[in-house]
Amino acid sequence: EPEVTQTPSHQVTQMGQEVILRCVPISNHLYFYWYRQILGQKVEFLVSFYNNEISEKSEIFDDQFSVERPDGSNFTLKIRSTKLEDSAMYFCASSGQGASYGYTFGSGTRLTVV
Amino acid sequence: QKEVEQNSGPLSVPEGAIASLNCTYSDRGSQSFFWYRQYSGKSPELIMSIYSNGDKEDGRFTAQLNKASQYVSLLIRDSQPSDSATYLCAAFLYNNNDMRFGAGTRLTVKP
Repeated sequence: EPEVTQTPSHQVTQMGQEVILRCVPISNHLYFYWYRQILGQKVEFLVSFYNNEISEKSEIFDDQFSVERPDGSNFTLKIRSTKLEDSAMYFCASSGQGASYGYTFGSGTRLTVV
Repeated sequence: QKEVEQNSGPLSVPEGAIASLNCTYSDRGSQSFFWYRQYSGKSPELIMSIYSNGDKEDGRFTAQLNKASQYVSLLIRDSQPSDSATYLCAAFLYNNNDMRFGAGTRLTVKP
């Protein structure tokens, strides 16, 4: 069964550093998403990406965040100048037909900012 | 107003019983609704989707949708200890063009 792959599974970084979280969506999917989940809290939408550009973003997704599809397979989330409150699980998801049809999540990257 | 609301639980049922999970949503234009299961420390896993009013059954799971009441539910029949997890209700919000999640209901099935 096709999978969404995320790396690394766990990243520890010092406050103020930049991190890049990586995702390989399912190969024939066209819609990509990033969500985050702070420990014990709900899954929160960050950004959606289609046709090589951001289609929607939440109020959380400010100038500290950026997304990129550097090649035909990878989809990355960059967090600049990390803060303690950025510590969370970050999930990538992809869909073949768009959010209204549901999507498949990756296994997540646990980001710990110290 | 919260976009997708769930009772956080915890909900505890004995093995073999029916577990009933409920969810309401705010965007009347929402067309697609999903139930995800999330084990502790793991990513959400899609278990049911529903798009039309009424019931949709898949094995031990039945999703129910009432658009007039803006209400979605999930029934789990013959609950097993392995069903113990947090169940996330999600709605595709037409106004936002993305999917939003409820806070989740934690279900414990006791042997």
